[in-house]
Amino acid sequence: DIQMTQSPSSLSASVGDRVTITCRASQSISSYLNWYQHKTGKAPRLLIYGASSLQSGVPSRFSGSGSGTDFTLTINSLTPEDFATYYCQQSFSMYLTFGGGTKVEIK
Amino acid sequence: QITLKESGPTLVKPTQTLTLTCTFSGFSLSTSGVGVGWFRQPPGKALEWLALIFWNDDKWYSPSLKSRLAVTKDTSKNQVVLTMTNMDPVDTATYSCAQYSHFHKWFDPWGQGSLVTVSS
Repeated sequence: DIQMTQSPSSLSASVGDRVTITCRASQSISSYLNWYQHKTGKAPRLLIYGASSLQSGVPSRFSGSGSGTDFTLTINSLTPEDFATYYCQQSFSMYLTFGGGTKVEIK
Repeated sequence: QITLKESGPTLVKPTQTLTLTCTFSGFSLSTSGVGVGWFRQPPGKALEWLALIFWNDDKWYSPSLKSRLAVTKDTSKNQVVLTMTNMDPVDTATYSCAQYSHFHKWFDPWGQGSLVTVSS
């Protein structure tokens, strides 16, 4: 299996802050990396696909970068609706795997 | 508009078999490149991928759970069924399904999920 390691596992931030979440793959996955936002009791939401492409309807304050084994999700100017858990997911291998999640909490 | 909704028991006993149904609308599982995936999230833990079935009936399973999982589709009913055998309390989780695009290699959209508790 390809292991996906996210860091940090949680962070506290204020509205307006810039937040960066990293995801590392145990082997190269090219750009086959997606990011999802998940709020408790709601369906996960696709934010970024192909490491850096913004899904339709997702605010431009979200951005993704990286390739190979190291990836980053950045949220510029955090808003109240951005407090959630974020997951990376690789689709390089058909044995799909997620990172452990990063919970973004209000400071 | 594409929607997916999970249904099934909320409580199962240890050793029983869990059967969950994902009923979807807005797309067809006979369309080339389309799939439906299953996932779970135990309370306080991370998302975990379980299984994926494609339009051509190709199936993929999480290696760690493969021996306990089976996924089937009923294209005429727009449904995908997941069965998981020999349930244990550690399998207590919210189970979700999502549409998979083989072209984009993404899961979108997702169902809201269904909580399944394993307890005697």
